Amino acid sequence: ETGVTQTPRHLVMGMTNKKSLKCEQHLGHNAMYWYKQSAKKPLELMFVYSLEERVENNSVPSRFSPECPNSSHLFLHLHTLQPEDSALYLCASSQRSGQGLYEQYFGPGTRLTVT
Amino acid sequence: AQKVTQAQTEISVVEKEDVTLDCVYETRDTTYYLFWYKQPPSGELVFLIRRNSFDEQNEISGRYSWNFQKSTSSFNFTITASQVVDSAVYFCALSEAFNQGGKLIFGQGTELSVKP
Repeated sequence: ETGVTQTPRHLVMGMTNKKSLKCEQHLGHNAMYWYKQSAKKPLELMFVYSLEERVENNSVPSRFSPECPNSSHLFLHLHTLQPEDSALYLCASSQRSGQGLYEQYFGPGTRLTVT
Repeated sequence: AQKVTQAQTEISVVEKEDVTLDCVYETRDTTYYLFWYKQPPSGELVFLIRRNSFDEQNEISGRYSWNFQKSTSSFNFTITASQVVDSAVYFCALSEAFNQGGKLIFGQGTELSVKP
């Protein structure tokens, strides 16, 4: 595997279900991100992990719970979602050092539909 | 506050035409980074270019070129001799250097359709 991978690619879940999205990066990066992309809206940053510590939580509802067990893996745990949470969820990774800012590399996304 | 504006929601051109995608940004920082990403129908965002605020030199990569002008806070992207494979949504993004989270602020995106 190369780059950033995400599983599953498609997910349909009911509002009472619990599911998890998985992201894995094979680039040796030390920062990982979750973004939400809804129709007709800009990409919204949800969470940032840098060196396995959450450094940003962008006012995301508690029904979304991230987990970063190591620098290569990132999860997004979902429970009691709402239909408006249906979107494309994108994972990204980058290398961060001091003030250096490097480009983020994105996975293919998980298309989530909440019924 | 940071903001990125891509005023063109959709652009349609015929193959071999040149096309320019506009990007205007707002930031209070003197040190920042600008990016362009391509999102084809498959959904994955593909990194195209990163530019820091101290480097105003324009860049050319094959059929792609970028014009960075701090005086007008713009970072425009031109595709020369467009091809059908260029059809995608293109996003411009901004990040401030001292932002601990490495947060990217994206524009709304411009959907480019290149017809044969």
